[in-house]
Amino acid sequence: AQSVTQLGSHVSVSEGALVLLRCNYSSSVPPYLFWYVQYPNQGLQLLLKYTSAATLVKGINGFEAEFKKSETSFHLTKPSAHMSDAAEYFCAVSPMDSSYKLIFGSGTRLLVRP
Amino acid sequence: NAGVTQTPKFQVLKTGQSMTLQCAQDMNHEYMSWYRQDPGMGLRLIHYSVGAGITDQGEVPNGYNVSRSTTEDFPLRLLSAAPSQTSVYFCASSGPGGEPQHFGDGTRLSIL
Repeated sequence: AQSVTQLGSHVSVSEGALVLLRCNYSSSVPPYLFWYVQYPNQGLQLLLKYTSAATLVKGINGFEAEFKKSETSFHLTKPSAHMSDAAEYFCAVSPMDSSYKLIFGSGTRLLVRP
Repeated sequence: NAGVTQTPKFQVLKTGQSMTLQCAQDMNHEYMSWYRQDPGMGLRLIHYSVGAGITDQGEVPNGYNVSRSTTEDFPLRLLSAAPSQTSVYFCASSGPGGEPQHFGDGTRLSIL
């Protein structure tokens, strides 16, 4: 069975500060890992994905994430927060080659203070 | 480029009514999925399809029915709506293997 834990339902940072959103996963098979962002009243937009290639994955809008197998983690980072980054972020896992069966974390709402 | 289109965007039902949520994609994707989103719980998989004529259950399938007669369409049916089915429903589609899913904008469903 697979599961995802996102630590912190809300994270607040100042504009220009480092963004760190935590994601830990559990999987009995090699996983694919994803980060999605959701703006109010919209669907989910893919930020980045890990599909067993490079462990450091770069995504859109300056975000990146590092796959650490030993720590079963896939934390999302961005060096400098922008006001437009305020949204809800979801980490998700799926079995390899089965990204249509995503298991999501409960989400982290990012607040950016001016 | 429409992507994944869901209709309606909003709906209010009474307990016991039936309804079909529509989902259509124009990317010729094999794989399609339905999720529901509830506060503090992320998204949970209801049903999915790996091609026309092939569907299977996800994590929370009870009370929902699906079929897939064409590659483009994947409707979700509520046969007898219950208040516990009040949620935001998302449809998603993806290409082969580990391609990430593309999501629609959702249907916000309230059941009184």
